[in-house]
Amino acid sequence: QKEVEQNSGPLSVPEGAIASLNCTYSDRVSQSFFWYRQYSGKSPELIMSIYSNGDKEDGRFTAQLNKASQYVSLLIRDSQPSDSATYLCAAPRGGNAGKSTFGDGTTLTVKP
Amino acid sequence: EPEVTQTPSHQVTQMGQEVILRCVPISNHLYFYWYRQILGQKVEFLVSFYNNEISEKSEIFDDQFSVERPDGSNFTLKIRSTKLEDSAMYFCASRGETNQPQHFGDGTRLSIL
Repeated sequence: QKEVEQNSGPLSVPEGAIASLNCTYSDRVSQSFFWYRQYSGKSPELIMSIYSNGDKEDGRFTAQLNKASQYVSLLIRDSQPSDSATYLCAAPRGGNAGKSTFGDGTTLTVKP
Repeated sequence: EPEVTQTPSHQVTQMGQEVILRCVPISNHLYFYWYRQILGQKVEFLVSFYNNEISEKSEIFDDQFSVERPDGSNFTLKIRSTKLEDSAMYFCASRGETNQPQHFGDGTRLSIL
């Protein structure tokens, strides 16, 4: 089992729709969770951090965390073509200075 | 805003040569990472570094690779006897305390001829 698993994608949504990206993690002691966006040919860019159960909203982005289910999601409302990218979920192991575990990423395409 | 800087942005090297990729992490960060991304593929973890030693490495990070923090600011990845399959984008990342996110540099595109 991978430490962090994301829905494999690719995911395609029409412009203006809600895009839903999902992630599960295996380490129950993970305390922090991050979503990164990577445009083709660019480096991953942090877009959301979430540490507590529930929802965290930032503009059109909402991160949701359920520690009991070991599940993290990212919702993108009013999707725009500029949201087309690969989204990486990260769930560092609790208290570990080593490998910060990333999912393989989900590629999102928003069609005009 | 502080950022991770990587040099060079593009490195072209003959197969069999050694290459050193350089990174300057964010100044107060404690943990440093190297990742590799072959064109069209996922980001792959190579190595993490903390307190002047490797804390974890992947199966990709074999004897061909080494990392060093030669001074208080630079963090380098050395690849010896480069092979064609080493051609990839290499990303450096750093983070502060536990539970803080990693911040990535813009990457070095390594092309082995």
